[in-house]
Amino acid sequence: GAGVSQSPSNKVTEKGKDVELRCDPISGHTALYWYRQRLGQGLEFLIYFQGNSAPDKSGLPSDRFSAERTGESVSTLTIQRTQQEDSAVYLCASSPTGLARNEQFFGPGTRLTVL
Amino acid sequence: SQQGEEDPQALSIQEGENATMNCSYKTSINNLQWYRQNSGRGLVHLILIRSNEREKHSGRLRVTLDTSKKSSSLLITASRAADTASYFCAVSTMEYGNKLVFGAGTILRVKS
Repeated sequence: GAGVSQSPSNKVTEKGKDVELRCDPISGHTALYWYRQRLGQGLEFLIYFQGNSAPDKSGLPSDRFSAERTGESVSTLTIQRTQQEDSAVYLCASSPTGLARNEQFFGPGTRLTVL
Repeated sequence: SQQGEEDPQALSIQEGENATMNCSYKTSINNLQWYRQNSGRGLVHLILIRSNEREKHSGRLRVTLDTSKKSSSLLITASRAADTASYFCAVSTMEYGNKLVFGAGTILRVKS
C-alpha cells in the first residue's frame, strides 16, 4: 500500500516568506509526527497529533511554527517569516496508534532552504 | 543532553565485516527502536526491542539491550555496500509519553 507522502520534496524560499509543508499519512494511522533534521544531525521533535486529541506542540521552536491536521488525514506544517536557521529537512511520520510501542513510518521529507 | 546517544559517530568498514553501533540513554524506557536513513531522507524502521527483552534478531541484524547499563547495540553481520547509511536509535520513555526521542546517529560506510 501507499506509504507516507510529503510535498513538496524541495522548497527554496527567501527569508521572511511563509512556507507550507504537507504530509499525507498512511490511511488509518491515527498518530502523526513532525520532525526537523538539520544537516548532519538527529531528528528534532516538533509536534504530534493523535486522533482528535489536542496536539502535543511541545517541540515547536517558536510561534512562527504551527501545524494543523484534519481528523486523521492530511497535516500541514506552516512556518511564517522564515529565517535562515529554518533550513533543514522536515520529516513527517505516522503510526497506527499513538503508542510509541509501534514503529513510525516516515515520509521522504521536505528539504527547505531559506536564502 | 538528550536520550539515545549513539557511538561511534562514524564507522567505516570493508564489505563482509561486521558493524557494531551503540546507543546509550538516561531514563527508564518502554522500548528502544533502531532506524536507518539513506541520503538524508526518510527513516526506515529496522527493529524494536522492548524493555523486558535482552536480544532480538532480524535477518543480519542483532540488537541487544542492557537496561542495567541503559545501553543497546546494533550489530550488522556480513555487511554489504548497500548497508551504507545513517543509523539512529530512538527511545520511548514514560517521561516523553508517546514521543520517540532520537539520537544523533551513526554514519556507517561499507566499502566494497
